[in-house]
Amino acid sequence: DVKVTQSSRYLVKRTGEKVFLECVQDMDHENMFWYRQDPGLGLRLIYFSYDVKMKEKGDIPEGYSVSREKKERFSLILESASTNQTSMYLCASIQMGTNIQYFGAGTRLSVL
Amino acid sequence: DAKTTQPTSMDCAEGRAANLPCNHSTISGNEYVYWYRQIHSQGPQYIIHGLKNNETNEMASLIITEDRKSSTLILPHATLRDTAVYYCIVPPPYSGGGADGLTFGKGTHLIIQP
Repeated sequence: DVKVTQSSRYLVKRTGEKVFLECVQDMDHENMFWYRQDPGLGLRLIYFSYDVKMKEKGDIPEGYSVSREKKERFSLILESASTNQTSMYLCASIQMGTNIQYFGAGTRLSVL
Repeated sequence: DAKTTQPTSMDCAEGRAANLPCNHSTISGNEYVYWYRQIHSQGPQYIIHGLKNNETNEMASLIITEDRKSSTLILPHATLRDTAVYYCIVPPPYSGGGADGLTFGKGTHLIIQP
């Protein structure tokens, strides 16, 4: 089975802190995604990566950056966390040639 | 993405078949229908997808009408663990090199009653 693992299920951070959310997939997928999910707003794409060191902005990249140094690992970085970044963050990788995305369990981040 | 319409919520008795409808009247000829579900506080999970033929896997069956304007996801013997939000989506044909991601609407909240 494909496995997408997010490093934390729950995180509590303070405003202004730098936050790292880590995601690892074990299926050698080229493409990986970071989304956030908020009630009433559905999933929104933050960043996308189609190869090591390659990234593209999604719909809501402001306040975030990403890092993809190795194929299996895609990190989301909140440079200076703010309360409006309190959300559920979901990482996914995609099976090439399809629109089958495999999601991690999610990280529920609270910024106080 | 082709727009999809699903009921907001549905109930089903445990052990019975759950039939979840989806309308996608603007679907184009080379677009697939995908179904995902999201159990509370977990990430979305892929269930099944299809183009025009009916499909079945270990999780569910997908029935697509001949005109492809609607489909039904069938969970043959629903259990309490099937309580989740079910999303029907019609993404553009695979564009893995792009930044589209997947667009999930509000989905159908399926509640399995004991």
